[in-house]
Amino acid sequence: EIVLTQSPATLSLSPGEGATLSCRASQSVSSYLAWYQQKPGQAPRLLIYDTSNRATGIPARFSGSGSGTDFTLTISSLEPEDFAVYYCQQRRNWPLTFGGGTRVEIK
Amino acid sequence: EVQLVESGGGLVQPGGSLRLSCAASGFTFSRYWMAWVRQAPGKGLEWVANIKQDGSEKYYVDSVKGRFTISRDNAKNSLYLQMFSLRVDDTAVYYCAGGYCNSTFCHANWFDPWGQGTLVTVSS
Repeated sequence: EIVLTQSPATLSLSPGEGATLSCRASQSVSSYLAWYQQKPGQAPRLLIYDTSNRATGIPARFSGSGSGTDFTLTISSLEPEDFAVYYCQQRRNWPLTFGGGTRVEIK
Repeated sequence: EVQLVESGGGLVQPGGSLRLSCAASGFTFSRYWMAWVRQAPGKGLEWVANIKQDGSEKYYVDSVKGRFTISRDNAKNSLYLQMFSLRVDDTAVYYCAGGYCNSTFCHANWFDPWGQGTLVTVSS
């Protein structure tokens, strides 16, 4: 099973600041990594798939990068609605696995 | 409007059974891979099972193999999860999710849309 480790666990930032979230895989997932956003009481939403492709309707301030075992989700300038929990997910191998999440909170 | 609505959750004793349903609307259900993903209270996401568009391929996380069965009825635009031998650690919100489709391709293992989830509580 591929283990995804996200860091930091919590990121405290102010609106307008940039955010950098990390996801590290226990073995190579090639480019088969996605990012999701989940707000309290809501279902997750797909943001980025295949490392760097934004899903339909996702603002350009969200971008993804990386390859192999190290991946990054960057939010260029935080909007109030971006404060949420973010999960990475791999599809390189079965079982599909998610990271433990990074909470982006208002400082 | 694309919509997935789960039902069938509730309180069940350890060893019991439950069948979850997911009703899809607003999109061509038969075009999508479908999945169940769960989230234990206060915890992260865990993929449970996937099913191909025509039901010919099914995949499960090891912890539910032999106990859970994913199925679908394209004529009814519905996805199901039959759960047997439930354990306390199966307690979670269960989300129905579709494989993400863009304008050119439908992916099996990236998930969007999602339903709002149904809570399954396994407790004596």
